[in-house]
Amino acid sequence: EADIYQTPRYLVIGTGKKITLECSQTMGHDKMYWYQQDPGMELHLIHYSYGVNSTEKGDLSSESTVSRIRTEHFPLTLESARPSHTSQYLCASSETGRVNEQFFGPGTRLTVL
Amino acid sequence: GEDVEQSLFLSVREGDSSVINCTYTDSSSTYLYWYKQEPGAGLQLLTYIFSNMDMKQDQRLTVLLNKKDKHLSLRIADTQTGDSAIYFCAESIGNTPLVFGKGTRLSVIA
Repeated sequence: EADIYQTPRYLVIGTGKKITLECSQTMGHDKMYWYQQDPGMELHLIHYSYGVNSTEKGDLSSESTVSRIRTEHFPLTLESARPSHTSQYLCASSETGRVNEQFFGPGTRLTVL
Repeated sequence: GEDVEQSLFLSVREGDSSVINCTYTDSSSTYLYWYKQEPGAGLQLLTYIFSNMDMKQDQRLTVLLNKKDKHLSLRIADTQTGDSAIYFCAESIGNTPLVFGKGTRLSVIA
C-alpha cells in the first residue's frame, strides 16, 4: 500500500476563500504531481515537481499554485476559490528510475459554493 | 504530442472475461501501465509491461502489447462484481509524467 496522504478528503467552501490542499508522502520520492479529475473521469495534470524547489505547470492551465520546500510535502493552494474549481484533486508521487510507477493518494473532493 | 485512447464504457456479465483496449501514439514509450480506480479513491497500479514484451500474465490479469500497432489490452478472466471500476491505460516516455487515457468504466452485471 502506498504511503501518500491527502487532507482534507472532502472540503466544501464558499466562493472567494483561500484554500490549501495538503499532500505528503513518506516514500522519499523525488517526483510529485497534482491532477484534477473531471466528474466524467479524465485526469488532467496541473502541476508537477521533480525535486525540492522545482515546480512545473502541467497540461491543464490552472489558477492554483504549488510549492515544494520539503521532499515529502507538495501543497496546492487556491488564492480565491470559484465554483469552476469544484473537482476531485489527486496527488501522486514517483521515484526516478526505470519503471516510473506513480503512486496516488486517495484524493480531495472540493466543492466551491 | 503523446495521446492515449480508450473506449469509455464496457459492460460484462459476472464470470465472463473482460477485455479493455487502449491505443497510444508515441513509439518511444518505455513502459505501459494499467491503473484501477474504485469509487471515491485514488488510482492503484494493477500491472505494467515493458515495451519489449508481448505479454504479461498475473493471476486473472493478462496484458497484451502489440508494439507495431501501438495497441495495449487488459484481459480480466472470470470478472467479478468487485472488478467494477474505472481502468486507466498510461504510457511512460523517458522521464516525463505519465500520459493517461480518459479511462474505461467497467460495469459487471451479476
